[in-house]
Amino acid sequence: GENVEQHPSTLSVQEGDSAVIKCTYSDSASNYFPWYKQELGKRPQLIIDIRSNVGEKKDQRIAVTLNKTAKHFSLHITETQPEDSAVYFCAARSSTLGRLYFGRGTQLTVWP
Amino acid sequence: DGGITQSPKYLFRKEGQNVTLSCEQNLNHDAMYWYRQDPGQGLRLIYYSQIVNDFQKGDIAEGYSVSREKKESFPLTVTSAQKNPTAFYLCASSPTGMNTEAFFGQGTRLTVV
Repeated sequence: GENVEQHPSTLSVQEGDSAVIKCTYSDSASNYFPWYKQELGKRPQLIIDIRSNVGEKKDQRIAVTLNKTAKHFSLHITETQPEDSAVYFCAARSSTLGRLYFGRGTQLTVWP
Repeated sequence: DGGITQSPKYLFRKEGQNVTLSCEQNLNHDAMYWYRQDPGQGLRLIYYSQIVNDFQKGDIAEGYSVSREKKESFPLTVTSAQKNPTAFYLCASSPTGMNTEAFFGQGTRLTVV
């Protein structure tokens, strides 16, 4: 099956700085890569996703890049704000099994 | 109000008892999932169902059981065979199709006392 690795597990940045979270996957047949944000005690919510026919996608301060050859994808948050503090999960959907495989999460803390 | 609803939000169970967690969705999604979340472990898949009356084991199915008798409902039973049941349980659903996001319920926090 698919294996998704996510790094780092914790990340602390100063308000206004950028944050980058990286994920790798193992199944070359995976073709959909969502990112979820989970605030403390709440449900994970989709913040951005990318499909395998696209190399980069941007939505305001958030961007995701995908390198299919190297099997890695990254989340970039610019001009971070304290409300960006949360746990972020990457995931990959296997085209053979149809289920999502999640990384272990990154605890992002943005200090004012 | 459309969405996916889990109940109850908090649940306490005595050791040796089975307990059932409810998950209902009115999004008309074919696929439904149950995840367990522990600190530092991410989201681990327990069971999933892509169609009514069919379901598959995920990565940590031992000690759990599910049913999918209706499209909108996917209850999870935590049996006494589950050795460490205290955790945060998340239900999710998604439409059929490869490039579709999963929508999560608000979760049930189960504590064994």
